Amino acid sequence: AQSVTQPDIHITVSEGASLELRCNYSYGATPYLFWYVQSPGQGLQLLLKYFSGDTLVQGIKGFEAEFKRSQSSFNLRKPSVHWSDAAEYFCAVAHNAGKSTFGDGTTLTVKP
Amino acid sequence: DTEVTQTPKHLVMGMTNKKSLKCEQHMGHRAMYWYKQKAKKPPELMFVYSYEKLSINESVPSRFSPECPNSSLLNLHLHALQPEDSALYLCASSPLAQQRIRFFGSGTQLSVL
Repeated sequence: AQSVTQPDIHITVSEGASLELRCNYSYGATPYLFWYVQSPGQGLQLLLKYFSGDTLVQGIKGFEAEFKRSQSSFNLRKPSVHWSDAAEYFCAVAHNAGKSTFGDGTTLTVKP
Repeated sequence: DTEVTQTPKHLVMGMTNKKSLKCEQHMGHRAMYWYKQKAKKPPELMFVYSYEKLSINESVPSRFSPECPNSSLLNLHLHALQPEDSALYLCASSPLAQQRIRFFGSGTQLSVL
């Protein structure tokens, strides 16, 4: 069965510091991987996606993620966090056109 | 227009009420979705519409009734809800060429009293 694990429930970083959010997946075939961000009371916004090709993908708002098949991971990174990045982050794997499996999310707090 | 618009943003209803949630997109997407999201949890898929036809129903109770009147509009009719149905209801859409991607609306925060 497909699954997504985000090991960190809550992460706190200082503004300007680097960020890495972890995501591990379990999927039998080539995964289609996503990171979404959700601000309080809002919907989810797509940050970036990996379908194939270059394993380092760039997204919006200065985020990037690296797909590592050998580690079944798709970690999200940002070199310098801004206060506006405080939000809930969800990793997801899409296993067919209709369904996606989301991780439980990681809450990011940014200290001034 | 690159948005998925949901109305209302907030809704409070009693257990005997009938209400509807509305979702609209003008991006030409032919797949549309309803999700339910509890606080601090990931969204849970409820329904999928493809070409205005219901293609997936994730065993959702019949007190939730979806409707897709046309390719731009998706409704969720609510009747006799329970307090545990209180949640953020999210609508999403996908382009045909990339149906694994979701474009989400901002949601309707529903409270059932």
